[in-house]
Amino acid sequence: KNQVEQSPQSLIILEGKNCTLQCNYTVSPFSNLRWYKQDTGRGPVSLTIMTFSENTKSNGRYTATLDADTKQSSLHITASQLSDSASYICVVSGGGVYTGGFKTIFGAGTRLFVKA
Amino acid sequence: DAMVIQNPRYQVTQFGKPVTLSCSQTLNHNVMYWYQQKSSQAPKLLFHYYDKDFNNEADTPDNFQSRRPNTSFCFLDIRSPGLGDAAMYLCATSRDPPAGGQPQHFGDGTRLSIL
Repeated sequence: KNQVEQSPQSLIILEGKNCTLQCNYTVSPFSNLRWYKQDTGRGPVSLTIMTFSENTKSNGRYTATLDADTKQSSLHITASQLSDSASYICVVSGGGVYTGGFKTIFGAGTRLFVKA
Repeated sequence: DAMVIQNPRYQVTQFGKPVTLSCSQTLNHNVMYWYQQKSSQAPKLLFHYYDKDFNNEADTPDNFQSRRPNTSFCFLDIRSPGLGDAAMYLCATSRDPPAGGQPQHFGDGTRLSIL
């Protein structure tokens, strides 16, 4: 069954600290993995996209990594700011004829709280 | 400037009274999606249009319908809203379907409340 699991469910950190969010998936065959940031009451905004051949992608203070062998991705946030408080959603696309067809699976998200 | 615009941001309707949510895009993208997102949950895909081709998810209730009269606009119709349909409804676009690896651009959603 194609699944995307994120951990932790929620996280509280102090402003200026770094943190890492995890995403494990079982989607196969794999096509691409995206990280989105969703502020409260707003739509998700794309941070990074990675395909099978990419193992790291940066967007400012956000760095995503992908290990397609272990089917794991992480999102590292450097020098956190109060505005980083949001939900971070991992989205994996893939699948084929024998696995129920091509799908885009959303993780449940990690809720990040950055405190002053 | 907003590229995926959803109106209204907040919608209140009565139980069983039809309601229509609208979405417009200035990106000229081929694909438009509608998602339902309940509190603290991941967005759930209801259906999408690839150009004029409508693609319904298998578990989307018949109560939910969609129309795409042109490239720029897409509507979500809920024929007889129930209390369980109260949620945030997100519209998204992408140039290509998800297999193309292009990002989806989301609107800020319409929060639907049912009285």
